[in-house]
Amino acid sequence: EVQLVESGGGLVQPGGSLRLSCAASGFTFSDYAMTWVRQAPGKGLEWVSIISSGGSNTFYADSVKGRFTVSRVKSTKTFYMQMSSLRAEDTAVYYCAKKGPSGTAYFDSWGQGTLVTVSS
Amino acid sequence: QSALTQPASVSGSPGQSITISCTGTSSDVGGYNYVSWYQQHPGKAPKVVIYDVSNRPSGVSYRLSGSKSGNTASLTISGLQAEDEADYYCTSYTSSSTYVFGTGTKVTVL
Repeated sequence: EVQLVESGGGLVQPGGSLRLSCAASGFTFSDYAMTWVRQAPGKGLEWVSIISSGGSNTFYADSVKGRFTVSRVKSTKTFYMQMSSLRAEDTAVYYCAKKGPSGTAYFDSWGQGTLVTVSS
Repeated sequence: QSALTQPASVSGSPGQSITISCTGTSSDVGGYNYVSWYQQHPGKAPKVVIYDVSNRPSGVSYRLSGSKSGNTASLTISGLQAEDEADYYCTSYTSSSTYVFGTGTKVTVL
């Protein structure tokens, strides 16, 4: 069974930094791209970033480009997102998700999310 | 990266059929057969119900179906049931190798 467990959320001041982690199990981690999606309180889903299965390719939403960086470690089956220069509008529940098989473009498994609050 | 356009809400009585639209551009919805739909119940993580326009994952009810015409994709729920009451989001792969979500639709079963 696929399991994705996010951690690292919390309260941070504007301009601060935070690193989110996503621990993966139940599938061959190195075979799948991984993504982050966020949801501000009471709002819709917003795609944030994606990293390829091997880690060599990364893509970001314009809203976070230059401030957020995703990475992955094969040996620990962990997916990360380093967030810096945080703003109030980055306040959201952050979900990590596994992309479907190569040749498809959807997110087939999701974690339960971790809340990031940016406030002074 | 403008969000795809969905109606804010759609409602129907039990047993009826409803359709949710998702309108984008030729750079996303219209350019690829990579539209997926997600169901989200309050306080829960999203769950994929349709992928690559019209494919249904194992375990998803046959009452849910997807289609696409031009820059608009659609999700149809037939035989509406109480359990279908949730928020639904479309998403599409884009020409920038990114993804974009729809604005979301709240489905209410009357």
